[in-house]
Amino acid sequence: GDSVTQMEGPVTLSEEAFLTINCTYTATGYPSLFWYVQYPGEGLQLLLKATKADDKGSNKGFEATYRKETTSFHLEKGSVQVSDSAVYFCALSQNDMRFGAGTRLTVKP
Amino acid sequence: NAGVTQTPKFQVLKTGQSMTLQCAQDMNHNSMYWYRQDPGMGLRLIYYSASEGTTDKGEVPNGYNVSRLNKREFSLRLESAAPSQTSVYFCASSARGGTGATSYNSPLHFGNGTRLTVT
Repeated sequence: GDSVTQMEGPVTLSEEAFLTINCTYTATGYPSLFWYVQYPGEGLQLLLKATKADDKGSNKGFEATYRKETTSFHLEKGSVQVSDSAVYFCALSQNDMRFGAGTRLTVKP
Repeated sequence: NAGVTQTPKFQVLKTGQSMTLQCAQDMNHNSMYWYRQDPGMGLRLIYYSASEGTTDKGEVPNGYNVSRLNKREFSLRLESAAPSQTSVYFCASSARGGTGATSYNSPLHFGNGTRLTVT
């Protein structure tokens, strides 16, 4: 069945460092891909999405490109801030929404 | 805007007790979902409802029942709670689904979760 694999955390970075969180997927068709973010004590919020191959989703300085040839949707940000500390989930949607295990990011001043 | 509202926020049960988690959305969404979140396992789908009057099992339905009361409300019931059901439960909704065209691009909108402990 469909599944998502994302890099294990936790990830700890200094402020202004470059961020990459890897995500790969397995699906039989052409899913839509998403990144969600979860702040402490809250539910998940949509961060960005891409609906077809080579699409780039972007929001709040975060970007991810839908790469069908490598079945990947890696999340990147050029300069992280303390306020970016959260848990990030990669997800795919086809018949239903499937999530990765989540990657906890901590950004230190 | 309220979005997706879940109650209660916290609950402690003893093994064998029952309870119902309530969820309501005010976005006129067709689809509603119940997930559980456990450390290192991400979110796993318990049940979902693609439209009013329909419900379907997800990845981990055992020990749970659901009711889609109307378009707004989708409840999750634990008939006889077990320690393995200790988790954080999230309700979500999306514009996807219905009996006509689907929209796989529609994101999920989540409530703030219910932290359940079963002793």
